[in-house]
Amino acid sequence: ETGVTQTPRHLVMGMTNKKSLKCEQHLGHNAMYWYKQSAKKPLELMFVYNFKEQTENNSVPSRFSPECPNSSHLFLHLHTLQPEDSALYLCASSQDKALNEQFFGPGTRLTVL
Amino acid sequence: AQSVSQHNHHVILSEAASLELGCNYSYGGTVNLFWYVQYPGQHLQLLLKYFSGDPLVKGIKGFEAEFIKSKFSFNLRKPSVQWSDTAEYFCAVGSNYQLIWGAGTKLIIKP
Repeated sequence: ETGVTQTPRHLVMGMTNKKSLKCEQHLGHNAMYWYKQSAKKPLELMFVYNFKEQTENNSVPSRFSPECPNSSHLFLHLHTLQPEDSALYLCASSQDKALNEQFFGPGTRLTVL
Repeated sequence: AQSVSQHNHHVILSEAASLELGCNYSYGGTVNLFWYVQYPGQHLQLLLKYFSGDPLVKGIKGFEAEFIKSKFSFNLRKPSVQWSDTAEYFCAVGSNYQLIWGAGTKLIIKP
């Protein structure tokens, strides 16, 4: 048990669907992250939240919309995705944004048809 | 742009062989350095980290890494690998409050 949980673990969706990924951390951390992991490519940081405030958005398309209602929960809302968005989406948390160890969830394997 | 390079995408070794995985980064300022590991079917977890002090860092499961500032390198080593070390290994470099990740090295240990 990592202390960071993600649901669902697998998701298949069509390009016109709307779905949401959920992340919850039980570690009392203040920073949360969304990453995209594609085969043979480095992890891509998508969004960073620190104390519920979004502090980084690495030029992510607007079809990905994050939400952080509190320090323990992070959502990624998905709308009109493309097949190239198929990947493993990882959530992570850390004590704060100051480059401490990040704790990762198991990821959501997303397939866009 | 800052980048992290891991030299090998795939490494295959026999049990008891010695391991060294390369990691080089391009950033001239102060950095924090990490190695993470992802075992099959499991989440990413921290193997070891370097923030300051002794450039030879020891991590879990007998792994160590050496920070060589002049070479912008942070290579991961283990003197004798086991079948259970089969996993994917990621180097990450932190600066300006972001982690920059390498593409990963898949390590397969033959029993």
